[in-house]
Amino acid sequence: EPEVTQTPSHQVTQMGQEVILRCVPISNHLYFYWYRQILGQKVEFLVSFYNNEISEKSEIFDDQFSVERPDGSNFTLKIRSTKLEDSAMYFCASSVGVANEKLFFGSGTQLSVL
Amino acid sequence: QKEVEQNSGPLSVPEGAIASLNCTYSDRGSQSFFWYRQYSGKSPELIMSIYSNGDKEDGRFTAQLNKASQYVSLLIRDSQPSDSATYLCAVNRDATNKLIFGTGTLLAVQP
Repeated sequence: EPEVTQTPSHQVTQMGQEVILRCVPISNHLYFYWYRQILGQKVEFLVSFYNNEISEKSEIFDDQFSVERPDGSNFTLKIRSTKLEDSAMYFCASSVGVANEKLFFGSGTQLSVL
Repeated sequence: QKEVEQNSGPLSVPEGAIASLNCTYSDRGSQSFFWYRQYSGKSPELIMSIYSNGDKEDGRFTAQLNKASQYVSLLIRDSQPSDSATYLCAVNRDATNKLIFGTGTLLAVQP
C-alpha cells in the first residue's frame, strides 16, 4: 500500500530556532494536512492544504507556522521560532479528496524543543 | 464541554471477548465519524468510518452511530492481544478533513 513518508523521524532543536518538517504525500493525493500530538494528549488538527494554498487552519497554526509545497512531491511545515510547547509528534496526512475521504497518516516526526 | 469524549481506560478484556469502546460528541452538526487505532509511538490508522445511524460491520469490527444521542461506539469481537492499542474516536463537522479527535481509550487484551 502506498505510504506517506516523513523526515526526519526525530528532530531536536533549541528554543528559538527554526525547524522544517518534511513530508512526501501519496502521489495521486490532492489534499494535505498537518496534525500534531503532544505526549499523552489528543491528536490536533493544524492545517489543511489544497491547490497550493491553505484551505483551513486551527488556532494553533499562528504566524510562527507556515506550510509549503515547494515542488511536485514534498509538503513542508516550518516553525520559525520554536517554543518549548511546540514539542510534539507532528503527523503529515494526505487524502485523494475531501468530504469523508480516508486520511493516510505518515509515521510522524517527533520534535523536541530544548 | 469537550468536543469528543472518550473514557481513557485502560479497558482490559480477555482474549476472545468482545471489547466495547464508546465515544460521545458535542457538535450536533457532525457528519462523519471515524475510529482510528494507534499503537504506542505510531501514527493513527483508520479502522472504521460511519456516516449514518445504525451499525456498520467490517470483519471483527462493528461501528455503531446514534446521532440523536450523539454517540458512537466500536465493538471488537474475538479480541486478540494484537488489538491492544489506543482507539481514537474522530468526528468531522463538514465536508473537510478537519478531524476532531478524542483523547482515546487504551485497550488491553489479556492472553
